[in-house]
Amino acid sequence: EAGVAQSPRYKIIEKRQSVAFWCNPISGHATLYWYQQILGQGPKLLIQFQNNGVVDDSQLPKDRFSAERLKGVDSTLKIQPAKLEDSAVYLCASSLTGQGVDEQFFGPGTRLTVL
Amino acid sequence: SQQGEEDPQALSIQEGENATMNCSYKTSINNLQWYRQNSGRGLVHLILIRSNEREKHSGRLRVTLDTSKKSSSLLITASRAADTASYFCATGTFNDYKLSFGAGTTVTVRA
Repeated sequence: EAGVAQSPRYKIIEKRQSVAFWCNPISGHATLYWYQQILGQGPKLLIQFQNNGVVDDSQLPKDRFSAERLKGVDSTLKIQPAKLEDSAVYLCASSLTGQGVDEQFFGPGTRLTVL
Repeated sequence: SQQGEEDPQALSIQEGENATMNCSYKTSINNLQWYRQNSGRGLVHLILIRSNEREKHSGRLRVTLDTSKKSSSLLITASRAADTASYFCATGTFNDYKLSFGAGTTVTVRA
């Protein structure tokens, strides 16, 4: 079974630039998550999709971050404009049902450096 | 805010020894999960324990849950170099479907 795919793996940009990350979840998984993991911390949920609808985006900085899940499959997360404090690893995860007791499967992450 | 807090923050042990780490949380939970993260990689699910369970085993892993103390422990027996990683607890609550992760315990297994 193929895992969660993410690209790019690494990205370096200057502050105020834009960046986009892509995620392809495990086939058949209804729920997709985007997390931000700052160095030395645990993952923080940014947004959760159930199929193509948003379940929770309470911790997404909506003035600069946006995300969409096309046709309930792939997802993109965009930052525009980026700030220095956005430097982090962005993790995508998926789960079968998202009922809260599911195991989450994580992709390798995208390491973003904002200069 | 992060629901779970792991203790200790870092742990260094000799290969073959056991490693124990703890997780404390604040609110009532539906389940608690443990994940491992190797350097530069995504997280891997290790074990899930539900709020009505007290202990669970998976290979060399043993997880306990004490809901009265709002705490959990992860024991890795007979550690190996490949166990070197960060370990995170994540809690799921009754009110929503999301997981809240702690800051993790970094385990180093010395050969």
